[in-house]
Formats: sequence, structure tokens, C-alpha cells
Amino acid sequence: SQQGEEDPQALSIQEGENATMNCSYKTSINNLQWYRQNSGRGLVHLILIRSNEREKHSGRLRVTLDTSKKSSSLLITASRAADTASYFCATDLFQGKLIFGQGTELSVKP
Amino acid sequence: DTAVSQTPKYLVTQMGNDKSIKCEQNLGHDTMYWYKQDSKKFLKIMFSYNNKELIINETVPNRFSPKSPDKAHLNLHINSLELGDSAVYFCASSLGPAGGNTEAFFGQGTRLTVV
Repeated sequence: SQQGEEDPQALSIQEGENATMNCSYKTSINNLQWYRQNSGRGLVHLILIRSNEREKHSGRLRVTLDTSKKSSSLLITASRAADTASYFCATDLFQGKLIFGQGTELSVKP
Repeated sequence: DTAVSQTPKYLVTQMGNDKSIKCEQNLGHDTMYWYKQDSKKFLKIMFSYNNKELIINETVPNRFSPKSPDKAHLNLHINSLELGDSAVYFCASSLGPAGGNTEAFFGQGTRLTVV
């Protein structure tokens, strides 16, 4: 079974709406990271939240981490058509591994 | 200037062939990775190297052999290619081993198609 699982698998919203994606994991982590992948491209790092942090902001992105529930969420506010992409959470394990979830495909309609 | 570059971008080859994918990073990072992304977009870690030494080998078939001539390069050689090897392969690098709270930088990917 996978370390990280994301929910929903696909999300379709209108421009201007907020998008929330969730990630659950199974084992203790060093940090959790969110990445974005545009179609046919590599992954781009968005934000990193350490295991002792609960919330972090970067521009229109807000990430929360609940280590007791082993879950994280990524909120994109005031979405734009250009935010259309796949979003992945990745757990950074103490063993030196960066393990990715299956991703959420976000579609933002103009 | 591309931070993590991999070549080729596309690779179409017949079953049974041997092929290599090259990766170079100009970020001065110590750690490099290979990931495989399947058709469902699931990213699976294959290998991780730190300063030219293998630190992670995730039960990848022996047909896959990574080689790191120096810490800026991590190449992937695949022997006896099979249909199931078709996927997108990503190289990535980070400042230190993944336990160091550092982000990973990814290459653009190599789409391998085995026919």
C-alpha cells in the first residue's frame, strides 16, 4: 500500500473558486511537501511544511499538517485557469526517501 | 540555464533492447534520484544516490542499473527492455539526503515507449 494517498483524485472548479486537496500518509515523517506537475512536464516544488509546523502560507497557497491524523491539505485560493495541473503531496521519511502520492488532477475552468 | 536536465526526452525502442537515460544537475546538489511515473501518474522512487553512493534501491529489477560518475550526474541504464518498462522516468536532485528538509528539483522527464 502507498505511503501517501490523495483525495480527491480529480477536481473541477470555476476560476475564482478555492480548491482544496487532501493527503493522508501512514508513517512518521520528517516533512511533507507539495508539488505541481503541468501536463507533459516535470514536477515543480510548491511548499514544504516541517513535522513540527501546523500551517504554512505561500502566496495563494495554504498548507496545513495534522501529524496526529497523518494528513495534510493544500488550499489554493482564488484559482486561475493557469492553476490547472496535477498536484502531488510527498512525504519526506527519515529513512531518506521522498514518497509521492497519486496526485489530484485540478481543472480550473475560465 | 536548466537546473536538472535529462536526455533524451523521448525514447521509442523495441523489446529486448538496451538503452540509457542521462541526467545532469548544475545545482551543486549532493543527492540525485530516479523516479518512474506510470500511466496513472503514480510516481515511484527507484534509486537515490548521495555523493555518488547508492542509498536507496527500491526493489527495482536488476535490469535497471544506475551509474553516478560524479555527484552532478546520475545515468540510468536499462537492459533487456520489456513492455512494462514503458513509462515516464524522472531524474531529480536535492541539496542533501531527503531527511534534511530540502526540496527536490525535477528534470523534464524521459518518456520511454517499448514496442
